Amino acid sequence: GQNIDQPTEMTATEGAIVQINCTYQTSGFNGLFWYQQHAGEAPTFLSYNVLDGLEEKGRFSSFLSRSKGYSYLLLKELQMKDSASYLCAVRDVDMGRRALTFGSGTRLQVQP
Amino acid sequence: EPEVTQTPSHQVTQMGQEVILRCVPISNHLYFYWYRQILGQKVEFLVSFYNNEISEKSEIFDDQFSVERPDGSNFTLKIRSTKLEDSAMYFCASGRGAVSTDTQYFGPGTRLTVL
Repeated sequence: GQNIDQPTEMTATEGAIVQINCTYQTSGFNGLFWYQQHAGEAPTFLSYNVLDGLEEKGRFSSFLSRSKGYSYLLLKELQMKDSASYLCAVRDVDMGRRALTFGSGTRLQVQP
Repeated sequence: EPEVTQTPSHQVTQMGQEVILRCVPISNHLYFYWYRQILGQKVEFLVSFYNNEISEKSEIFDDQFSVERPDGSNFTLKIRSTKLEDSAMYFCASGRGAVSTDTQYFGPGTRLTVL
C-alpha cells in the first residue's frame, strides 16, 4: 500500500517563500507529482520528480529524495492567487500501473 | 493549449438512477482515467483505460461502474445504480502514455449529487 503525508494547512505572506513538505511510504516508486487545486476546480499539474534533486519551473521548484521518501514544493514570490490546495501524488513502480495515489493536500493561504 | 473537457458540470440524480458522465480527453493522448473527490477528502483513483480496455481499477470501481470509449473522442463513466455515497466530484484525466514522463491532465470535473 501507499501512505502519503502532508501538512493540512499553511499560511504565508504575499511576496514570501513557502515550502510544502510531503513524505511517502510506498511499496514501489515511479514518480512524484505536485498539483495545485483551487477550491471547486480540477487539479492542475505543477511538477514531476522521478530522480533525486531539484526541478525548477519559474516560481515553483520541487525536490525529491527517494532514500528518505521525501519531497517538497517551494513557492517563491508568493502571490494572492497562489492560495489553493497543493496535492502531492505518487505513482507506483509496477509495470502497467499508472494510477496516482494522492495525499490529502495542503491548503495554503496567502495573506497580504 | 489543448484541454480535457467534461460534461455536464453538475448532475443531480435520484438514488438508484443511472448516470453517465462524459469526457473528451486531449486528442493525442492514449491513456484515460477517472478519479473522484468526495467533498473535503482526497482525490481517489477509480480506473485507467488504454487501447479500448481497462488497464487498472481500484477497489472503489465495483460492478456498479463501467467505462466506455464509444467513439474516437469521448470517454464515459457510467454508474448503474447510484448511491448517496457516490456524491462527489468526478474528474477525467488523460496522458500521452510514455511511462517515465506520463503526466495526467485533469478536466474541470462533474459534480454529482445523489439525492
